[in-house]
Amino acid sequence: EAGVAQSPRYKIIEKRQSVAFWCNPISGHATLYWYQQILGQGPKLLIQFQNNGVVDDSQLPKDRFSAERLKGVDSTLKIQPAKLEDSAVYLCASSFRATGLAGGPYEQFFGPGTRLTVL
Amino acid sequence: AQRVTQPEKLLSVFKGAPVELKCNYSYSGSPELFWYVQYSRQRLQLLLRHISRESIKGFTADLNKGETSFHLKKPFAQEEDSAMYYCALAPYNNNDMRFGAGTRLTVKP
Repeated sequence: EAGVAQSPRYKIIEKRQSVAFWCNPISGHATLYWYQQILGQGPKLLIQFQNNGVVDDSQLPKDRFSAERLKGVDSTLKIQPAKLEDSAVYLCASSFRATGLAGGPYEQFFGPGTRLTVL
Repeated sequence: AQRVTQPEKLLSVFKGAPVELKCNYSYSGSPELFWYVQYSRQRLQLLLRHISRESIKGFTADLNKGETSFHLKKPFAQEEDSAMYYCALAPYNNNDMRFGAGTRLTVKP
């Protein structure tokens, strides 16, 4: 099966500009996640969608970051305006569901990521 | 609060030597623990998880609730094991995954 797709793969912008990232999850996966991975750190969850609804966005800097998954499939993550500290790899992941009845969290499948550089 | 600590940023061993990647966690509850791996130029992918109790590519991980650890072990390292390894946890009833900072394993010939 096709994996999680992300675009663009690389983006360089100047601070105060806007940028958007796109993610297409694995077909049939209801749950979609956006992570931020700063160099030298592990991925940090920004937002989790279940179909087109937000499950958890507690770690999303809402003053500048926004995300949507309008039809419950593709998703976009936007930064407006960007700051130097937003330079990172932005990872999208999807899972069949968030959790199973008895099996705990479902496996998350990751995309290749978008490397953002803010100058 | 959920927290995952991987004390070693870098770990280097020779081929055929045993390897142990350390992971400690803090969580007030019963989490599910994972090891993810990222090989050079590849995506982050699941290596193994506690609930499965499987050995994948010769790796095993034992959950020690008393020490709140989930160390990853392999008795005989291979060069193809060289990669970035991330320990992660998620609450059992949701998928709010928290990752450690990762350990870069290098297996020398």
